[in-house]
Amino acid sequence: NAGVTQTPKFQVLKTGQSMTLQCAQDMNHNSMYWYRQDPGMGLRLIYYSASEGTTDKGEVPNGYNVSRLNKREFSLRLESAAPSQTSVYFCASIPSGMNYEQYFGPGTRLTVT
Amino acid sequence: DAKTTQPTSMDCAEGRAANLPCNHSTISGNEYVYWYRQIHSQGPQYIIHGLKNNETNEMASLIITEDRKSSTLILPHATLRDTAVYYCIAFSSGSARQLTFGSGTQLTVLP
Repeated sequence: NAGVTQTPKFQVLKTGQSMTLQCAQDMNHNSMYWYRQDPGMGLRLIYYSASEGTTDKGEVPNGYNVSRLNKREFSLRLESAAPSQTSVYFCASIPSGMNYEQYFGPGTRLTVT
Repeated sequence: DAKTTQPTSMDCAEGRAANLPCNHSTISGNEYVYWYRQIHSQGPQYIIHGLKNNETNEMASLIITEDRKSSTLILPHATLRDTAVYYCIAFSSGSARQLTFGSGTQLTVLP
């Protein structure tokens, strides 16, 4: 199993450009999450998908959209990037049932100039 | 979910036990205590979780006080590779599986 994979690993955007961060998991997990982590800070939840076909806002959803394409894939889109969105983005997933152990991807480091 | 409070930073000598405290005085009866760690630049890694009883796995032990208002994560023989930020999270199964990560404790294992 590859676990949780994210692409790209690094990205530099100019203000106003758009891009989509991709996340996939091969563990048949139901729930998937997108977090951002600013330098020296903890993780903040952007959006999550409790199950295929559903998405909900987290703590900091403004400026982002998400798509739960299927059970495996959960993408995060920045329609018009801003310097305030410079951050490291982590995707995570949780299996069904009572186990809430989150599995995290390696992160995407995004810089918006 | 209950708010948790952790010290900002701690040091530990290599080979000694690292004891990381967490205060969760407002925790409710159905909230679990989860511990994760984040080694520099990597995604967070699950360590252990518990509800009432003490728990142990291959990575660590979790001691929860009887009143459940605080807990301690114990790394029995810390190594340099245990240097990381450790997050304590109180989590309820009824909260749509959202984990709230605070600022955590930066543990530095010294040679």
